[in-house]
Amino acid sequence: NAGVTQTPKFRVLKTGQSMTLLCAQDMNHEYMYWYRQDPGMGLRLIHYSVGEGTTAKGEVPDGYNVSRLKKQNFLLGLESAAPSQTSVYFCASRGTGGTEAFFGQGTRLTVV
Amino acid sequence: GQQLNQSPQSMFIQEGEDVSMNCTSSSIFNTWLWYKQDPGEGPVLLIALYKAGELTSNGRLTAQFGITRKDSFLNISASIPSDVGIYFCAGQRNNDMRFGAGTRLTVKP
Repeated sequence: NAGVTQTPKFRVLKTGQSMTLLCAQDMNHEYMYWYRQDPGMGLRLIHYSVGEGTTAKGEVPDGYNVSRLKKQNFLLGLESAAPSQTSVYFCASRGTGGTEAFFGQGTRLTVV
Repeated sequence: GQQLNQSPQSMFIQEGEDVSMNCTSSSIFNTWLWYKQDPGEGPVLLIALYKAGELTSNGRLTAQFGITRKDSFLNISASIPSDVGIYFCAGQRNNDMRFGAGTRLTVKP
């Protein structure tokens, strides 16, 4: 059972570079989320999606874009990476009838 | 900014002691959840609370959904070394889910 899979697991970017983080879930969940985790600040919601083709802004959306072209995938893009975007990024998914959100193992991103 | 205020930020306890942590919010949530995160892993759900006033147990864990729907607490009884980790509260309202800053728990054998 794969559950929620995030790729890549680690990445180092130079300031100004762009990249895309991929989240894939095999549970047929409608809801998908992207969070960033920083020391002392917990998990902050970046963007989320309530279904294929939909996206919505969370608490800290600036500097990120997302797309949900297929139900099983939720992509997080960094248009022009900044050192402030150094963080651990977590993806999660949740079914419509369920409460439990399942998390991926995280992507550690460093922007230098 | 952070919508959920979680406290304490960290706790150092002896094995066998009980632990209590809580979460408050200025907003109402429909569901409260408590997650645990081990190092290098994503958070895993411990307890979910669906109704105001609800008290739910899961083994040594007990959690309550506050009457006002703006707060929740989690108690861990008779702590053991594997309880070490970061505990997060989370509130769900409509489609999004917000987290507290976490409580880092250290258990000394």
